[in-house]
Amino acid sequence: QKEVEQNSGPLSVPEGAIASLNCTYSDRGSQSFFWYRQYSGKSPELIMSIYSNGDKEDGRFTAQLNKASQYVSLLIRDSQPSDSATYLCACSGGSNYKLTFGKGTLLTVNP
Amino acid sequence: KAGVTQTPRYLIKTRGQQVTLSCSPISGHRSVSWYQQTPGQGLQFLFEYFSETQRNKGNFPGRFSGRQFSNSRSEMNVSTLELGDSALYLCASSLGTGLTDTQYFGPGTRLTVL
Repeated sequence: QKEVEQNSGPLSVPEGAIASLNCTYSDRGSQSFFWYRQYSGKSPELIMSIYSNGDKEDGRFTAQLNKASQYVSLLIRDSQPSDSATYLCACSGGSNYKLTFGKGTLLTVNP
Repeated sequence: KAGVTQTPRYLIKTRGQQVTLSCSPISGHRSVSWYQQTPGQGLQFLFEYFSETQRNKGNFPGRFSGRQFSNSRSEMNVSTLELGDSALYLCASSLGTGLTDTQYFGPGTRLTVL
């Protein structure tokens, strides 16, 4: 059974639009949730972390967490071509310190 | 503060050989985790070290091993290389003191097994 699931995409949005990325997780003990961005050939780069239910905003990015539904999302407002990358959802906590990743959603922002 | 560094950045080996990868964490970070990334399987957790002790381990065969030194630097070793070991190997460092710690990734080592 997959522990963290993401729509693999590709998700294609026009420049200036809102991109919505979704993730579900199976471990109810998960305490920390992260969104990483990974450009092709590069390593993952942290965008957002969220630990409690609700929304967390940072610039053009908003992370949303619903622990009852075991659901995490990332909204990117005013999407730019430079946002084109694979977005990885990850969870940790529960019984150990490891990060469990989804397989990522490929986002393409078209100029 | 300097980020996570990994050496070497690229490696080409042949089947049956062994390889050692190195990771230097961010200063002050005591936890180092290793991940394997392949196109088919995505990012998979190998193991995590904290204060020179392996604290967590993923589902990889015993050919994959690691260690951590007193200065928190870590090495990962893969013995008897197989073609399927070709991957990007990433290490990530964190403070390691709480379950909410953020992990920061190094640039990775690209291993190709021929």
